[in-house]
Amino acid sequence: RKEVEQDPGPFNVPEGATVAFNCTYSNSASQSFFWYRQDCRKEPKLLMSVYSSGNEDGRFTAQLNRASQYISLLIRDSKLSDSATYLCVVSSYNTDKLIFGTGTRLQVFP
Amino acid sequence: SAVISQKPSRDICQRGTSLTIQCQVDSQVTMMFWYRQQPGQSLTLIATANQGSEATYESGFVIDKFPISRPNLTFSTLTVSNMSPEDSSIYLCSVEVWGRITEAFFGQGTRLTVV
Repeated sequence: RKEVEQDPGPFNVPEGATVAFNCTYSNSASQSFFWYRQDCRKEPKLLMSVYSSGNEDGRFTAQLNRASQYISLLIRDSKLSDSATYLCVVSSYNTDKLIFGTGTRLQVFP
Repeated sequence: SAVISQKPSRDICQRGTSLTIQCQVDSQVTMMFWYRQQPGQSLTLIATANQGSEATYESGFVIDKFPISRPNLTFSTLTVSNMSPEDSSIYLCSVEVWGRITEAFFGQGTRLTVV
């Protein structure tokens, strides 16, 4: 079983739609959780951190469920510019290593 | 934040040869990380490079194949040795900046094709 699992997609949604991505992680000792965005042929960049209390940044909302070892990302009012691959990333308390999911590809169409 | 300059951005190499990838960071960092991203796959950590000591390699990666140098706190190189077509991939260096949150910054990546 992979340490971090995501639905690879692609998710094809029209502009204005709401889309949700899910991610599960296997290591219960994981302490830090992130969503990164990777545009085609570009390097990953941090989108947002994920906290148990939830984290909202404009149209983006991230949630963490420690009991289920589950992370989600919700994008409201999708824009064409949201088209990218979204990477779920997890790290443990006692290590600096980041574990990346395979990413979920989002394509927003007009 | 951190700005990383990685080069080359891409290369096409003959099998059996070696390629050295360089990363320069605009600030001093303790650790630098080298990742591989194969087509359609996630980022896989190759090794962690510490200044003044040998790099720490992840399972499945060995120093003879991926020698790493870390001469100072702002620079590192990764060499892909004795290349085969299976080494065709994107290679990325990364640093982590600790603050209110810990954020990873990446170089622009090196797209390697081995023919």
